[in-house]
Amino acid sequence: SQKIEQNSEALNIQEGKTATLTCNYTNYSPAYLQWYRQDPGRGPVFLLLIRENEKEKRKERLKVTFDTTLKQSLFHITASQPADSATYLCALPLSSGSARQLTFGSGTQLTVLP
Amino acid sequence: DVKVTQSSRYLVKRTGEKVFLECVQDMDHENMFWYRQDPGLGLRLIYFSYDVKMKEKGDIPEGYSVSREKKERFSLILESASTNQTSMYLCACTGDHYGYTFGSGTRLTVV
Repeated sequence: SQKIEQNSEALNIQEGKTATLTCNYTNYSPAYLQWYRQDPGRGPVFLLLIRENEKEKRKERLKVTFDTTLKQSLFHITASQPADSATYLCALPLSSGSARQLTFGSGTQLTVLP
Repeated sequence: DVKVTQSSRYLVKRTGEKVFLECVQDMDHENMFWYRQDPGLGLRLIYFSYDVKMKEKGDIPEGYSVSREKKERFSLILESASTNQTSMYLCACTGDHYGYTFGSGTRLTVV
């Protein structure tokens, strides 16, 4: 089964800096990878999907890269703000051809300090 | 945007009780999922459904069952609640865009 590792449980950065979160996976190469944001006591919120043939994807201050050779995705938040503080989860399809089940990493808790 | 509604935010039940957690989505999506989330263990898939009356086991189905009689509603049932089922339960659905829409979650405490 797919195993996902997110770089660290917690990351603290200063406001205005770029936050970089890492997601590594093992086994098969997924057709796509997703990133979610989760605030305490709430359900995760979908942010971005990147497909295996896309090297990079952007949405406002967010940028995601997908390196299928390294089996790694990087998630960047530029010009970070305290409101970006949350837990960020990466997720991959459970296996090739599955009915869209996702397996999730355990998340990285980001704190942006003012 | 799709909306996923879970019937309760907080629930306290006694050991041995039968517990129903309800989830409703408003976009006619085929795929619906139940996860539980525990500190240090992340999100784990309990059951999912890809159509009415269709259901598949996830990674941790033991002690749970599900029901999908209508497309918009996916229910999780704890047949006989136990303390190790104390957790945050999250329902999700997905349509054509592949991203999941989650409900706000139900924090269940079994005493």
